Amino acid sequence: AIQLTQSPSSLSASVGDRVTFTCRASQGISSALAWYQQKPGKPPNLLIYDASSLESGVPSRFSGSGSGTDFTLTISSLQPEDFATYYCQQFSSYPFTFGPGTKVDIK
Amino acid sequence: QVQLQESGPGLVKPSQTLSLTCTVSGGSISSGDYYWSWIRQPPGEDLEWIGYIYYSGSTYYNPSLKSRVTISVDTSKNQFSLKLSSLTAADTAVYYCARQTAARYCSSTTCYVFDYWGQGTLVTVSS
Repeated sequence: AIQLTQSPSSLSASVGDRVTFTCRASQGISSALAWYQQKPGKPPNLLIYDASSLESGVPSRFSGSGSGTDFTLTISSLQPEDFATYYCQQFSSYPFTFGPGTKVDIK
Repeated sequence: QVQLQESGPGLVKPSQTLSLTCTVSGGSISSGDYYWSWIRQPPGEDLEWIGYIYYSGSTYYNPSLKSRVTISVDTSKNQFSLKLSSLTAADTAVYYCARQTAARYCSSTTCYVFDYWGQGTLVTVSS
């Protein structure tokens, strides 16, 4: 199975900050990567698919980039509702796998 | 608006079989554009995809759980179900059902992403 690692595992930031975190795949997955946001007690919510395509209804401050093995998710101006955990997921090959997440909390 | 809702026991004894059902509303489970998946998340741990079923009954199971998993579908009730056998404490987790896209095309492959999720149900394996 393809392993995904995410860094950092957690970060502290302030409202208005630009934040970027990364997801690395154990082998090349082209652009077959998605990003999800999860808040405590809630299911994950799809933000980005195909590495850089914004899911309908997701604010434009979220953006994704990358291909191959290295990917990034950027929040251009952090909002109070963005404090959450972010997971990447690969769909290049079975079984589909998730990264361990990056938790974003308030500085 | 599509909604998914898990149901089933919250406490199961070791060695027994877990049975969960996901009821889909606001859309037909018989749509050929989607797979119907189960995903779990042990407390404080990573998300693990368990497997999916298509409305026709075809399935794919994660090899890590394949020997213990059965996913079935009841199109007449717009439901799909999960059975996980030989439970241990390591199976304690929040179990989610989710809709998985099967007809959305990405640059290099079909976009197999999870666009709608149930709220999740905590299953504890304990005697």
